Amino acid sequence: AQSVTQLGSHVSVSEGALVLLRCNYSSSVPPYLFWYVQYPNQGLQLLLKYTSAATLVKGINGFEAEFKKSETSFHLTKPSAHMSDAAEYFCAVSPAPGGADGLTFGKGTHLIIQP
Amino acid sequence: GAVVSQHPSWVICKSGTSVKIECRSLDFQATTMFWYRQFPKQSLMLMATSNEGSKATYEQGVEKDKFLINHASLTLSTLTVTSAHPEDSSFYICSARDPPGVEQYFGPGTRLTVT
Repeated sequence: AQSVTQLGSHVSVSEGALVLLRCNYSSSVPPYLFWYVQYPNQGLQLLLKYTSAATLVKGINGFEAEFKKSETSFHLTKPSAHMSDAAEYFCAVSPAPGGADGLTFGKGTHLIIQP
Repeated sequence: GAVVSQHPSWVICKSGTSVKIECRSLDFQATTMFWYRQFPKQSLMLMATSNEGSKATYEQGVEKDKFLINHASLTLSTLTVTSAHPEDSSFYICSARDPPGVEQYFGPGTRLTVT
């Protein structure tokens, strides 16, 4: 079984500041990990994924995440926040390999960008 | 990129009636599709896994007789909410995996309101 914990239901940063969204996972098998973004009343868009290759994963829109097995973490970062980054972010886990299982999502973090 | 569509995007129905939601993979064949439910300002919860040509696998606590899933082709899965009640009102999102990739591509969601 797997689970995901996202610390902080709301995160507020100033435009141009570092974005850090935290995700810790629990999995009984090696995991695949994902970050998705959701804009209001829309589906989810994949930002990036970890599939047991490089531990530092680069995604779209300048986001990246680092898989740290010892800390069971997969935190999402972006060096400089933009107003368009304001959205809901979800971390998700799936048991590897194959990805044939549904995803287990964290509760989400609402990112607020202050002008 | 892989595109998943859903129809309708929103629907209002009366209590006791049934409503069907379609999920289509537009530019790839999806042997596996997934149905999620999202309550307002909450995370996504996996309802069921839909495999083409076979019965869906439902998550614990999901009523299979209430949420009928059919995956009749490699590009179409349908979710029928039978005898809908107001508590079934929610945002229903489908996703599909584009093999051999492991990530899921999400549809834009369907907002169901039962009056």
